Amino acid sequence: AAGVIQSPRHLIKEKRETATLKCYPIPRHDTVYWYQQGPGQDPQFLISFYEKMQSDKGSIPDRFSAQQFSDYHSELNMSSLELGDSALYFCASSLGNGENGYTFGSGTRLTVV
Amino acid sequence: AQTVTQSQPEMSVQEAETVTLSCTYDTSESDYYLFWYKQPPSRQMILVIRQEAYKQQNATENRFSVNFQKAAKSFSLKISDSQLGDAAMYFCAYSALNNDMRFGAGTRLTVKP
Repeated sequence: AAGVIQSPRHLIKEKRETATLKCYPIPRHDTVYWYQQGPGQDPQFLISFYEKMQSDKGSIPDRFSAQQFSDYHSELNMSSLELGDSALYFCASSLGNGENGYTFGSGTRLTVV
Repeated sequence: AQTVTQSQPEMSVQEAETVTLSCTYDTSESDYYLFWYKQPPSRQMILVIRQEAYKQQNATENRFSVNFQKAAKSFSLKISDSQLGDAAMYFCAYSALNNDMRFGAGTRLTVKP
């Protein structure tokens, strides 16, 4: 069965650079979520999209932005990267309100040096 | 605001024995969903079990079962016949209708052979 696809798997950027993370949800899933998981921490909700519209916003820095495209894939854009942005970034998708749980991708490990 | 609390940072169990992981949550909602996710060293987030708040019957998935106490806002996970492959970080998660999922801090489970 198709899963949530995230790219790239690993990314190394320098401070003040820009990064773009991509997420391809499970086919027919209409909601996408982005989470940030720092070392030894639980996943922190960043932002979500339902039917290509932003549906909820969490602790996402102003330096970050995201969108969901017509084919339902989503991109998380991160600018002016800081060392503290180093983390595992998960994308998840669900059908509707996620009552059956979210399906997570394998994550993108971002390292800022 | 909803919060999820996992009071056990680490737990250990002998292979083939039973272990219970604790989780409490705080909410003013009457309709919501609770989940347990497993995160092995690969960092993949894997859904273990889900519970609908309006259902009194505790959810069961093979060796995994929950003890859902709605009045006490408690949602513990019981793993029976523990296997080496059960070793992972376990996250309790809460999601109200049309809201994003929030996670507890996690419990690291070690399985001893």
